[in-house]
Amino acid sequence: GAGVSQSPSNKVTEKGKDVELRCDPISGHTALYWYRQSLGQGLEFLIYFQGNSAPDKSGLPSDRFSAERTGGSVSTLTIQRTQQEDSAVYLCASSSRTGLMNTEAFFGQGTRLTVV
Amino acid sequence: KNQVEQSPQSLIILEGKNCTLQCNYTVSPFSNLRWYKQDTGRGPVSLTIMTFSENTKSNGRYTATLDADTKQSSLHITASQLSDSASYICVVSLSNTGKLIFGQGTTLQVKP
Repeated sequence: GAGVSQSPSNKVTEKGKDVELRCDPISGHTALYWYRQSLGQGLEFLIYFQGNSAPDKSGLPSDRFSAERTGGSVSTLTIQRTQQEDSAVYLCASSSRTGLMNTEAFFGQGTRLTVV
Repeated sequence: KNQVEQSPQSLIILEGKNCTLQCNYTVSPFSNLRWYKQDTGRGPVSLTIMTFSENTKSNGRYTATLDADTKQSSLHITASQLSDSASYICVVSLSNTGKLIFGQGTTLQVKP
């Protein structure tokens, strides 16, 4: 596609339910990132996929959070047993890599998750 | 620990005035540094990129500088406009993994 696409754009869920957030990166981009942003706060790193390398999961806040990237393209971020503190905008970004340098990261519009 | 720190946290200026945003980083191995602009409710968009060998780069009214020795970067905005109101985020990339390290951003508000 022309840009990074995320779905759904908005999600309201009840506390304790599981949610899945989807990210379609720009075609050909080998790097994919998930971040979340609480209201008025900076971006919090969650997880980073780069090609076939093992993902960097160091930002996942708890074992309720997991992400996978199938076929090196689409990624799904899953949050199990959602809590109210999980409410945030979840942003996905992708970039390509040339040598040792990543190109610009292009961001999707985000998924606004509200846990009630 | 790889960190990117930005200052000030927030800034209010009058339309037409200049301002400078600061970014200090402790990231190694360093690949490049980008400044992103994030409008409210939107994802960040890249303004400019600086590599190790570059000291200054301009993009319209935006001028970024990089001092790789002191590990500092600045973003200077000239003749500010109301549309410059946004968060400005400094992002440093690791050369070994490509991972992006984000600063917390500076929220700029330009008032008429």
